[in-house]
Amino acid sequence: QQQVKQSPQSLIVQKGGISIINCAYENTAFDYFPWYQQFPGKGPALLIAIRPDVSEKKEGRFTISFNKSAKQFSLHIMDSQPGDSATYFCAASEGGKLIFGQGTELSVKP
Amino acid sequence: DAGITQSPRHKVTETGTPVTLRCHQTENHRYMYWYRQDPGHGLRLIHYSYGVKDTDKGEVSDGYSVSRSKTEDFLLTLESATSSQTSVYFCAISDSGGNQPQHFGDGTRLSIL
Repeated sequence: QQQVKQSPQSLIVQKGGISIINCAYENTAFDYFPWYQQFPGKGPALLIAIRPDVSEKKEGRFTISFNKSAKQFSLHIMDSQPGDSATYFCAASEGGKLIFGQGTELSVKP
Repeated sequence: DAGITQSPRHKVTETGTPVTLRCHQTENHRYMYWYRQDPGHGLRLIHYSYGVKDTDKGEVSDGYSVSRSKTEDFLLTLESATSSQTSVYFCAISDSGGNQPQHFGDGTRLSIL
C-alpha cells in the first residue's frame, strides 16, 4: 500500500517553463511535507517543506502548494533550468518517520 | 553538506554472508535513520535511532538490525544477506525528532549475488 502517491513518473520541460509534480496522501496524521531533490550518485537533498497549516510556501523558484481538504500537495518549479534536471521526491511525515513518494525524473531541455 | 559519511560506498557480496554498513556523523545530531532506495519505491525507512542505544523499527525492518553505541555512529547489519536486499542504502540525520529536516549521506550501493 503506497501511502504517498507521486506523479508523473517522468517529466520533460523546456528551459524557462514550469515543472509541476503532484503528490497525494491518505493518512491525515501526516503533519510535515518535504520535497527532496536527488542527483545521480548523491543522496537526496532537502529542497523545501511545508506544514499543513499553510496553503503555499515559496522559496526562490520553488513553490509548494498544499490542499489539506483534498490531501494533495504539489511542487512547482518556475523558470526551469537544465541544472534542475534531477529526481524529485515528495514525502510525508508522522512523528519524524518519512514516507516517500516513488519519485519523478525531471529533464529540462535547453 | 551535512557531515555524514557512509562506508563502504560500494560493496558486492554473496548470499548468506553478513554485511555491516556504517554511518558516521560529525553534527552531534540525536536522530539517525537508515533507508533503502529501490526503483519504483522511493526511499523506505528500515530502522532509526533517537539516541545512544535507543532504536526502533521502520517500514521494512525484516532481515536488518542496527546498533548505536556512540552518538556519531549508526550501524546497519544484514545478518544473512539475500538478493532482495540488493539496494542503495542511505543514512540520514536530524537534530530533533518530529518534523525537522533530515539530511542524507551519499549512500552505499550494495549488490548481493
